[in-house]
Amino acid sequence: EIVMTQSPATLSVSPGERATLSCRASQSVGSDLAWYQQKPGQAPRLLIYGASTRATGIPARFSGSGSGTEFTLTISSLQSEDFAVYYCQQYNKWGTFGQGTMLEIK
Amino acid sequence: EVQLVESGGGLVQPGRSLRLSCAASGFTFDDYAMHWVRQAPGKGLEWVSGISWESGSIGYADSVKGRFTTSRDNAKNSLYLQMDSLRAEDTALYYCAKNREQWLHAFDIWGRGTMVTVSS
Repeated sequence: EIVMTQSPATLSVSPGERATLSCRASQSVGSDLAWYQQKPGQAPRLLIYGASTRATGIPARFSGSGSGTEFTLTISSLQSEDFAVYYCQQYNKWGTFGQGTMLEIK
Repeated sequence: EVQLVESGGGLVQPGRSLRLSCAASGFTFDDYAMHWVRQAPGKGLEWVSGISWESGSIGYADSVKGRFTTSRDNAKNSLYLQMDSLRAEDTALYYCAKNREQWLHAFDIWGRGTMVTVSS
């Protein structure tokens, strides 16, 4: 089973600043990597797939990069609605998730 | 409107069984693989199981292998999760999720989930 590890567990950033979240896979997943956003009481929402392609309706301030085992989600200028928990997921072999990064207001 | 609606959750004693259902609408159900994902209270997402569009490939997380069985009925646009030998650690909100493409892809549509509580 592929293990996904996210860092940091919690990230404190001020509105308007940039946030960088990391995700590492225990073995290569190529570009089969997705990012999700989850707010309290809501289902996850797909942000990024194919490591760098934004899903439908996702603002351009969200960007993804990486391949193989190392991936990054960058939010260029944080808006109030961006404070949430973010998960990475590999789908090269089914679909395991990282443990999540909570993005909180500084 | 593309929609997934889970049902069948509830309170169940350890060792007993429960069957979850997911009703799909608004898209061609048999064109896509489908998945179950769970989230224990206050915890992260855990992929539980997935099934290909024609049921030829079915996968399970190690934590549920041998206890849970996933199936689908394309004629009824429905996905199922049979959960046997339930344990306290299976307590979670169970989501149904749709593959973005036919096979091995991100999950673009999620239901609201159905809560399963395993307790005596």
